[in-house]
Amino acid sequence: EDKVVQSPLSLVVHEGDTVTLNCSYEVTNFRSLLWYKQEKKAPTFLFMLTSSGIEKKSGRLSSILDKKELFSILNITATQTGDSAVYLCAQISGTYKYIFGTGTRLKVLA
Amino acid sequence: DSGVTQTPKHLITATGQRVTLRCSPRSGDLSVYWYQQSLDQGLQFLIQYYNGEERAKGNILERFSAQQFPDLHSELNLSSLELGDSALYFCATTSGGQYDTQYFGPGTRLTVL
Repeated sequence: EDKVVQSPLSLVVHEGDTVTLNCSYEVTNFRSLLWYKQEKKAPTFLFMLTSSGIEKKSGRLSSILDKKELFSILNITATQTGDSAVYLCAQISGTYKYIFGTGTRLKVLA
Repeated sequence: DSGVTQTPKHLITATGQRVTLRCSPRSGDLSVYWYQQSLDQGLQFLIQYYNGEERAKGNILERFSAQQFPDLHSELNLSSLELGDSALYFCATTSGGQYDTQYFGPGTRLTVL
């Protein structure tokens, strides 16, 4: 069964720190991997990764996919309190199924 | 604001009852996904519709059903409600292409007493 596992489950850092969130997946027919940020309500889209080894960047956030080792990382540099959220990764696999991990809860202290 | 709307925002009902949750997609989006998110679990995929037809099924209980109407809005029907059905229900929509990202609605919080 297709599965997405995220680690760590929870992380507390101070402002200015750099964090790395991990997402590993098991899939029979991989299409793409997505990262979302969920604060109080609905998840908001961050990145979509389809090709291995190509880094996607948006400001202080970046992400990369390794299709050989079946994982992705999300990096956040110079963290701010506004980065506090649950970060979800999801894979699109098989016939249009989106499979989400349980998320990493990040808390950034001032 | 993702452009996806969900109603109602909150719903409180009793066990055994039936409720209907509604989702209106972004303009041009043909595909609707329904998810359940409870406190102790991540997002659980329930069901997907594309242009009125069911396309994929996830962990949806037999007491739950959904449909997508010609105007592309979708409804999720939950019946014989149990305490464990209390959760946040999200819909997400895409245009339906293979590599589409999903845009989530704000969710409906269902509380079953």
